[in-house]
Amino acid sequence: EAGVTQFPSHSVIEKGQTVTLRCDPISGHDNLYWYRRVMGKEIKFLLHFVKESKQDESGMPNNRFLAERTGGTYSTLKVQPAELEDSGVYFCASSQWLAGQETQYFGPGTRLLVL
Amino acid sequence: GNSVTQMEGPVTLSEEAFLTINCTYTATGYPSLFWYVQYPGEGLQLLLKATKADDKGSNKGFEATYRKETTSFHLEKGSVQVSDSAVYFCALTRKSGGYQKVTFGIGTKLQVIP
Repeated sequence: EAGVTQFPSHSVIEKGQTVTLRCDPISGHDNLYWYRRVMGKEIKFLLHFVKESKQDESGMPNNRFLAERTGGTYSTLKVQPAELEDSGVYFCASSQWLAGQETQYFGPGTRLLVL
Repeated sequence: GNSVTQMEGPVTLSEEAFLTINCTYTATGYPSLFWYVQYPGEGLQLLLKATKADDKGSNKGFEATYRKETTSFHLEKGSVQVSDSAVYFCALTRKSGGYQKVTFGIGTKLQVIP
């Protein structure tokens, strides 16, 4: 079974540009999460989808970040316009509830550097 | 709110040494506890977990016991190998509104030298 995949693996852009990150969850997983690790800090929750619906976007830093999950499959996270402090590693995770338990499976992350 | 505290490291050990990475947490109720590992150039992988007090999670020679009285989930391995070099994240989940947000520690970098 394929794991969570993310694209691109790395992205280097200039301040003010737009970047779109993509996450493909494990097939059949309704829950999809985005997290971010800024250099030297903890991995922080950004938002959560159940299928195509946003359940919680309390971790989104500001309105320059827009996440979508069309059709409840893959998800995109767009940063527009990017700022220097947006640099970090963006992780996606997916999960499914089984017998009252949930374990989130993480993708390899996208390393974003804003210059 | 929920929080996880762990040493940032780096921790440098010789091969076959004993490893302990401390992790303590703050959370209401009964969270589930996890250790994730990130090998160089790879994503986060679930290493082990424990869902209730006194449970012991184990995998690949690593162990951690859920200690509610000390709010701890320390990671141990009796004999580390060079291939264990990675960043280790302690984490917890606390169900909220039908889903579980993961709260992570800062991550501890482990370097094992031959």
